Amino acid sequence: NAGVTQTPKFRILKIGQSMTLQCAQDMNHNYMYWYRQDPGMGLKLIYYSVGAGITDKGEVPNGYNVSRSTTEDFPLRLELAAPSQTSVYFCASSKDRENIQYFGAGTRLSVL
Amino acid sequence: GQQLNQSPQSMFIQEGEDVSMNCTSSSIFNTWLWYKQDPGEGPVLLIALYKAGELTSNGRLTAQFGITRKDSFLNISASIPSDVGIYFCAGRGGGSQGNLIFGKGTKLSVKP
Repeated sequence: NAGVTQTPKFRILKIGQSMTLQCAQDMNHNYMYWYRQDPGMGLKLIYYSVGAGITDKGEVPNGYNVSRSTTEDFPLRLELAAPSQTSVYFCASSKDRENIQYFGAGTRLSVL
Repeated sequence: GQQLNQSPQSMFIQEGEDVSMNCTSSSIFNTWLWYKQDPGEGPVLLIALYKAGELTSNGRLTAQFGITRKDSFLNISASIPSDVGIYFCAGRGGGSQGNLIFGKGTKLSVKP
């Protein structure tokens, strides 16, 4: 019953460093999503993918990149970390757009 | 863009009390979802609503899809300590507006 798995759970970055947040799902879902959650705010969509090889921007894509080479994996890349990217990042997946989204446990990122 | 207003922002509960929260949208939604987030975890779906006027229960939780399609309500009856957490509403419009929009959350805490 793995569902959506995110790694790492926590990370501290220095300004200008880069890193990749990993996300994997074992439910054979077509759709995958990356959200960020800032304190006292709802989730904001960064990027999403409707299937392997296809990605699209969400509401707040600036400073991030994604790729979807397989159905299972949807990594999120930060190239030049900035303090404004300090947040909790959630990956989610769904069978299709109309279906329920299942969330991972999150990655807590601090950029100092 | 689409806006979701969720209220209240926070509330204190005493065991046995009933709890109500709601979300209103600036535009029509085709789907309303209610999620709960425990500390350090990702959101977990509680109830999904797909039709205007729909009233759906999940144990002590009851949610309704407003007739205007611009609002939704979640009620928790006879609250228990494990109900504490953050509750999020999320809505989805149709067509090109098909991504989920999340409210800012209602934080339930135990009354001191």
